[in-house]
Amino acid sequence: ELKVEQNPLFLSMQEGKNYTIYCNYSTTSDRLYWYRQDPGKSLESLFVLLSNGAVKQEGRLMASLDTKARLSTLHITAAVHDLSATYFCAVLPMDSNYQLIWGAGTKLIIKP
Amino acid sequence: DGGITQSPKYLFRKEGQNVTLSCEQNLNHDAMYWYRQDPGQGLRLIYYSQIVNDFQKGDIAEGYSVSREKKESFPLTVTSAQKNPTAFYLCASSRPQGEAGNTIYFGEGSWLTVV
Repeated sequence: ELKVEQNPLFLSMQEGKNYTIYCNYSTTSDRLYWYRQDPGKSLESLFVLLSNGAVKQEGRLMASLDTKARLSTLHITAAVHDLSATYFCAVLPMDSNYQLIWGAGTKLIIKP
Repeated sequence: DGGITQSPKYLFRKEGQNVTLSCEQNLNHDAMYWYRQDPGQGLRLIYYSQIVNDFQKGDIAEGYSVSREKKESFPLTVTSAQKNPTAFYLCASSRPQGEAGNTIYFGEGSWLTVV
């Protein structure tokens, strides 16, 4: 069964702290996507990771991909309240061009 | 501006009714998708289409139907056979993912509630 597991599913943290969200997947893939969703809103693309060892950074968010371990991480540095949202990872299996497999999402609450 | 337009944003359905959610994109994308999201949950694929006049069932296609008569449009009909349709519905589009890892772009979503 194709599975994408995010950990943790819920995270409450203080502003200024660092934390990491993990995304493990069960299928062979070299394409992983991170999205952000605000409450009641649509999904916004954050990162597209296309190869083993890929690292991308945008502001206080940094994403990385280890295809051998089938693991991606989303690291938050010095969190601010505006980063409060639900974060999803999604994986494109090697034998597919269209059907992403989605994680359940990590709900992140950052307290002032 | 290029993008994906979903309508209506809010829709109420009576028991036994069919309703249709509209999705239009002007991104010139070949692939289009419909996802369902229940409160506090992830996304589940209902249908997707790789090309005009062709579409495939996703993981939860029962009780839904789609058409793809034009490249720009991919309407979703929620039929009376869908017993629990209350959810947030997201339309999306992309070029084939094999092309340099193109990402999926989402519309603003439609909230469907059964009354």
